[in-house]
Amino acid sequence: AQRVTQPEKLLSVFKGAPVELKCNYSYSGSPELFWYVQYSRQRLQLLLRHISRESIKGFTADLNKGETSFHLKKPFAQEEDSAMYYCALKGSSNTGKLIFGQGTTLQVKP
Amino acid sequence: EPEVTQTPSHQVTQMGQEVILRCVPISNHLYFYWYRQILGQKVEFLVSFYNNEISEKSEIFDDQFSVERPDGSNFTLKIRSTKLEDSAMYFCASKGQGVVNTEAFFGQGTRLTVV
Repeated sequence: AQRVTQPEKLLSVFKGAPVELKCNYSYSGSPELFWYVQYSRQRLQLLLRHISRESIKGFTADLNKGETSFHLKKPFAQEEDSAMYYCALKGSSNTGKLIFGQGTTLQVKP
Repeated sequence: EPEVTQTPSHQVTQMGQEVILRCVPISNHLYFYWYRQILGQKVEFLVSFYNNEISEKSEIFDDQFSVERPDGSNFTLKIRSTKLEDSAMYFCASKGQGVVNTEAFFGQGTRLTVV
C-alpha cells in the first residue's frame, strides 16, 4: 500500500531552535516525495521535492530509503515558518496524483 | 505568477442539492486534479483528468461526483446530491506537461458546507 505518515499533529518550538518534521512513507519502488506548506489562509504550495535536492527558505529534506523517511529540517526556526506542512508521495499510477500525510502544524514561538 | 483560481471560496448548500465547484487551472497545464480535505483530516485525492477524460479516480469519487472541462479553461467538480459528509475543503490543482519532475499548483480551495 502507498501511504505517508506524519506522526506529529503539532510541533511547537522557540524561534532559533532546530526543527525536524517527520515523514515516513510506504512505497514499493523508487518514491518521489515532496513537502508542501500552507501558510494561514493561503493555498498549498510546494516547498521542496527530493529529486532536486534543493534548500528552500533554509529547509532541507533527505530521502532515506533504508528508513523510508523524508524528514524536513531547518537548523534555526523563524516565526514566519509557522504553518501547516504536508509530506506527499507521488502515486505509482503515472497520473501524477499525490498521496498526502496528515500534516503537521509548526508553531514557532517568539 | 500564474495561479489556479477556484470559485466560490465558500459554498453552503442544503443536503440533497447539487453543487458545482469551479476551477480555472493555469492556462498551459494539461493535468487537472481535485482533492478534498475534511476538517481535521488529511488531503485526499479524488480524481485526475487528462486529455478530456478521467485518468484516475479514488473510491471516494462515486457516481455522485463528476468532472468536466466544458470550455477549455474551466474545470468543474459536480456533486449531484450532496450529503452532510461531503462537507470539506475542495482543492483543485493543475500540472504542466510531463508526469515526472513537474510541480502541482493548487488553488486556494472552496469550503463546502452541507446543512
